[in-house]
Amino acid sequence: AQSVTQLDSHVSVSEGTPVLLRCNYSSSYSPSLFWYVQHPNKGLQLLLKYTSAATLVKGINGFEAEFKKSETSFHLTKPSAHMSDAAEYFCVVSGSRTGFQKLVFGTGTRLLVSP
Amino acid sequence: EAGVAQSPRYKIIEKRQSVAFWCNPISGHATLYWYQQILGQGPKLLIQFQNNGVVDDSQLPKDRFSAERLKGVDSTLKIQPAKLEDSAVYLCASSLRTGSNTGELFFGEGSRLTVL
Repeated sequence: AQSVTQLDSHVSVSEGTPVLLRCNYSSSYSPSLFWYVQHPNKGLQLLLKYTSAATLVKGINGFEAEFKKSETSFHLTKPSAHMSDAAEYFCVVSGSRTGFQKLVFGTGTRLLVSP
Repeated sequence: EAGVAQSPRYKIIEKRQSVAFWCNPISGHATLYWYQQILGQGPKLLIQFQNNGVVDDSQLPKDRFSAERLKGVDSTLKIQPAKLEDSAVYLCASSLRTGSNTGELFFGEGSRLTVL
């Protein structure tokens, strides 16, 4: 069985300050991990993905995440927040013994960015 | 490249009525997914198709929900009869292929259902 836990339902930052969105995962298989972003009234968009290559993954819009197996974590970071980063962020785990990919989403973290 | 198309964007119905949502995936994408996203929660997979075959429907409430992808292209999700707890956004997504664990699903903007 697989699951992800997003440790914060809301994170508030000021524009220009660092962003940290926390995610812990559980997986019976070698997992693939992803972060998706959802802007209001928009479809979900892939930010970045880890698929057993480099543990530090760079994504779009300056975001990056580090896979830490020992801590079962995949936290999302950005050095400097922008107003346009305000959105809902979902941590996602995927893995399957059948070969058919099944994505399991976390409950989401809403990022609020103030001027 | 056209994205995943969904319709209708919004639907309001009374409980016990029926509703259908339509999805047209990105051209050439073999895998199609329907997710349910209840307010304040992450998306939950309802059903996954590989071409016109069902790969996973373990979380689909089959007593009231049904889905089909007859020609392996577009898909319809139906709810009959609807309950209050079915109020949610229904997301359709597609991917080029399954089994690769690439995780790159392309999502539509969703169909928001309100059941009164």
